[in-house]
Amino acid sequence: QKEVEQNSGPLSVPEGAIASLNCTYSDRGSQSFFWYRQYSGKSPELIMSIYSNGDKEDGRFTAQLNKASQYVSLLIRDSQPSDSATYLCAAQKTSYDKVIFGPGTSLSVIP
Amino acid sequence: GAGVSQTPSNKVTEKGKYVELRCDPISGHTALYWYRQSLGQGPEFLIYFQGTGAADDSGLPNDRFFAVRPEGSVSTLKIQRTERGDSAVYLCASSLGDRAIYNEQFFGPGTRLTVL
Repeated sequence: QKEVEQNSGPLSVPEGAIASLNCTYSDRGSQSFFWYRQYSGKSPELIMSIYSNGDKEDGRFTAQLNKASQYVSLLIRDSQPSDSATYLCAAQKTSYDKVIFGPGTSLSVIP
Repeated sequence: GAGVSQTPSNKVTEKGKYVELRCDPISGHTALYWYRQSLGQGPEFLIYFQGTGAADDSGLPNDRFFAVRPEGSVSTLKIQRTERGDSAVYLCASSLGDRAIYNEQFFGPGTRLTVL
């Protein structure tokens, strides 16, 4: 079992719709969770971090964390073609530990 | 500089050669990470420095890989006797590390290594 798992996709949504990206993790000791966006040929870019159960909103992005279910999600509202990218989920135990990345989910927003 | 920088951006070498990849982190960031990313995969952890010391090198695939950070800033990833399977994008990231409760990492542009 991989430590951080994501559906590889591709996930296709029409422009203006809500895109929902999911991630599960196996280490119950994980405390910090991150979502990165990676455009083709570019390096990952941090878009959201979440540390507490519940929702965290930042503009069109909402991260959701459920530690009991070991589940993290990212919602993108009013999806735009520029949101088309691979979204990487990552988990970390403490700031002293390594960060483990999932394989990423490819998102395509269709105009 | 404002962000993490990596040099070279591209490196082509022959099987069996030695290569060095350099990372210059964000000023003030004490933690530095090296990852390897193959096409269609997420970044694979290699090694993590907190200051000058390697806090976790459990991701280094074998003893051909070695990394240093002698002054707690710039880091060099060294690969000996390169193999074709080493071809990948090598990413470096830095963060505030143990100076912060939460450890948001910022990535450099990567070095694309091709071993012929």
